[in-house]
Amino acid sequence: AQSVTQPDIHITVSEGASLELRCNYSYGATPYLFWYVQSPGQGLQLLLKYFSGDTLVQGIKGFEAEFKRSQSSFNLRKPSVHWSDAAEYFCAVGAGQAGTALIFGKGTTLSVSS
Amino acid sequence: NAGVTQTPKFQVLKTGQSMTLQCAQDMNHNSMYWYRQDPGMGLRLIYYSASEGTTDKGEVPNGYNVSRLNKREFSLRLESAAPSQTSVYFCASSELTGAHLPQHFGDGTRLSIL
Repeated sequence: AQSVTQPDIHITVSEGASLELRCNYSYGATPYLFWYVQSPGQGLQLLLKYFSGDTLVQGIKGFEAEFKRSQSSFNLRKPSVHWSDAAEYFCAVGAGQAGTALIFGKGTTLSVSS
Repeated sequence: NAGVTQTPKFQVLKTGQSMTLQCAQDMNHNSMYWYRQDPGMGLRLIYYSASEGTTDKGEVPNGYNVSRLNKREFSLRLESAAPSQTSVYFCASSELTGAHLPQHFGDGTRLSIL
């Protein structure tokens, strides 16, 4: 069965430091992969998506993610974190079947220290 | 540009009461979804509607019913609320049902069952 694992429940990063959030997926075919961000009290906003082609994808707010098929990973990165990046981040995989179009990981909460 | 609008934003119910959560989208999307978000669990799909006139169960449908009133609106009903249904409920929409298509989320309804 398809699944998404985000190994880190909570990460704290200093403002200005680099960030990497980990995501591993389990899916038999080529996956469609997404990263969403959720600010407190808000809904989810799409950061970026991977379908095919270049394995390094750029998203909004300065985020990027790299698809590594050999490692079944789709890690999210940002070179320099801003305090406003504090939020919860969800990795999701498109499962390819109607109705289960997105399977979410359990999320990683990012805190930014000054 | 409202996107996906959910009402109400907050609600407190007593066990056994009924409640309908409303969702409307103005993006002319065909597919709509209801998720629940619980701490440490990520988002889990309750029901979805691939197109107007169709609805199907997701991962956790028990205790819920849905109605796709028209292309814009997709409601979620709790007939007899239980404390286990205390959660944050998100409505989402996408152009079509498909693993490669991103979903757009509302801001959520925070529901407490006493």
